[in-house]
Amino acid sequence: GAVVSQHPSWVICKSGTSVKIECRSLDFQATTMFWYRQFPKQSLMLMATSNEGSKATYEQGVEKDKFLINHASLTLSTLTVTSAHPEDSSFYICSASPNTRPGSTDTQYFGPGTRLTVL
Amino acid sequence: DAKTTQPTSMDCAEGRAANLPCNHSTISGNEYVYWYRQIHSQGPQYIIHGLKNNETNEMASLIITEDRKSSTLILPHATLRDTAVYYCIVYGSGNTGKLIFGQGTTLQVKP
Repeated sequence: GAVVSQHPSWVICKSGTSVKIECRSLDFQATTMFWYRQFPKQSLMLMATSNEGSKATYEQGVEKDKFLINHASLTLSTLTVTSAHPEDSSFYICSASPNTRPGSTDTQYFGPGTRLTVL
Repeated sequence: DAKTTQPTSMDCAEGRAANLPCNHSTISGNEYVYWYRQIHSQGPQYIIHGLKNNETNEMASLIITEDRKSSTLILPHATLRDTAVYYCIVYGSGNTGKLIFGQGTTLQVKP
């Protein structure tokens, strides 16, 4: 299957700082990537859709100024948690599909996740 | 999006087949049934998907009822490494690529 990587795998930061998480598709190009957040003992929650060359679209209740998404190339999307606070501590996961087209049902492949801890 | 219903948890003996059910009674004609699993502290792993025919790959088999209102994921010989949360997701062309996760089934494989 297709491979998606994330960096870093874990990060600890102080409250008020910003943290950038990278999501890369290693062996395919993806015009669209997705960002999820997962709190302990809960399911994955979709945060936003990252679109190459255009603005991200955010799910209801997700602050776009808090979670900045940049999809600058067909293999890289970044999520920046700005002015992080302890409540932003979570497991952040991205996904991408090798053949994403509008309205497609192509299989999504997930990165290994990034554990963010804000002190 | 069609909603899915899965049991919260299941146990299975190591070496036996694990049968994980999923109800998706509101599935529409162009929606696929996808299965993913998430091992603790890792990203979800794709297992298998199908539209209306039964499917099999190296990991599992997917049995979809004729009316498509339910399906069963079968792990033929469960091992301890199959202990994970298994998610059944209905996913169609109207979803614009989004996968919406429910609570899934926690499968515990026991020695």
